[in-house]
This record gives sequence, structure tokens and C-alpha cells, in this order.
Amino acid sequence: QSVLTQPPSLSGAPGQRITISCTGASSNLGAGYDVNWYQQLPGTAPKLLIYGNNNRPSGVPDRFSGSKSGTSASLAIIGLQSEDEADYYCQSFDSRLGGLYVFGTGTKVTVL
Amino acid sequence: QVQLQESGPGLVKPSETLSLTCTVSGGSISGYYWAWIRQPPGRGLEWIAYIYDSGTTNYNPSLKSRVSISEDTSKNQFSLQLRSATAADTAVYYCARVDKGWFDTWGQGTLVTVSS
Repeated sequence: QSVLTQPPSLSGAPGQRITISCTGASSNLGAGYDVNWYQQLPGTAPKLLIYGNNNRPSGVPDRFSGSKSGTSASLAIIGLQSEDEADYYCQSFDSRLGGLYVFGTGTKVTVL
Repeated sequence: QVQLQESGPGLVKPSETLSLTCTVSGGSISGYYWAWIRQPPGRGLEWIAYIYDSGTTNYNPSLKSRVSISEDTSKNQFSLQLRSATAADTAVYYCARVDKGWFDTWGQGTLVTVSS
């Protein structure tokens, strides 16, 4: 029941820039709720990558950056590296039905 | 730093109750929100529930009728119960800490299969 829409897959060569979009609605991103991003390497638990739209936790490389505008958000990876090959999920809060946390549909990033 | 570890049966029979516990180490469970999230094989993430200070809870509306979350501060643990399990509940279940709306610390996850 993902209510945040992401492209299923993206690919890029090492060193390139890719941008992952996350499209929401007036009840989540459009209502002013922050977007957060997670990276999930194969066979591992998700890891917080970006919080509060554009903040990086300690230890996350600065080639990852986030932004949000209206009902959309994006995660940019500048200078793609082989270790960035993973699934990426956006996440926010939705005010419908008493309020619930929602995740994006997920994007598989492949490094060519 | 805080670490989370899920535990519980890896196999549950259809119609029975799926029960999992998350043990928090390296910090107190008090004063934080704690959540359960699941991921069916090959699919995306779904938030299930959260709890705060043993009294404040919130559930995903799609699961609310079958789910309970609870805390045991004396053991620094919180737990999930999902009743009337079906094959659709087969997933990796993660416990996580919630910080101002994001999940900042995750357990490694535990696969629960619902099958006879």
C-alpha cells in the first residue's frame, strides 16, 4: 500500500549523477511532512541516508543529497560509485486514517 | 550506540499468532518511539506499528484489527503480535527506533514464514 511513487529502477556509470524521484500527495509531502531516504544493500536492513528532507546522518558521504518541493522529493547521488548499487526508499508521514508512516515503492539503482 | 535485535519463531502456521520481540541494547527504551516494519520477499517496506512510553500506540490501518504492540521497560524490549496470520504475512520483520519521524536505527531483521 505504498502511497509514495518512485521509479522502479535507474542505472548509471561510475562518476555519473542520478536522481531518484519520490511523488506523494496533499496528505503527505504536500501537507508539509518531511521526507526521509533509506539505502538497502542486498541482504541487509535499510539504513537511514537522508532525514528531514536534506540532512545526512554522520558517516553518510556528501555525494548523497536530498530535496523536497510541494508533493515531490528527490535524492541525488553525485559521483556514483559501485558501492551505491542498492535499493532506495523514500518515507514520510501521511495524515489520512488517523496518521501513518508511509514508504515509497522503492528504486533499484544499478551501477553499470 | 543503540543496537536492536529481533527474535521469535521463523515459522508460523496459518491462522495462528505471529509473535516477535525486539531487544534494545546500548541505551534505554524509555523516552523514544519504537516501531515494527516488514518487507515481504522481493517487495517494499511497510510500517506496521509504533509505541511510546508503553501507553501511546499507533497502527497501520490495514493491519490494525490484527496487531498489538507492547513494551517491557524492565527488559528493555518491545514486542509485536499479529493474529490470524496468513501467507500474505510472510516477510522479513524489522524493529526500528523512531526519531522525529524517521527510522534512525534498525535491527538486522528476521524472516517469518507463514505456512503449514
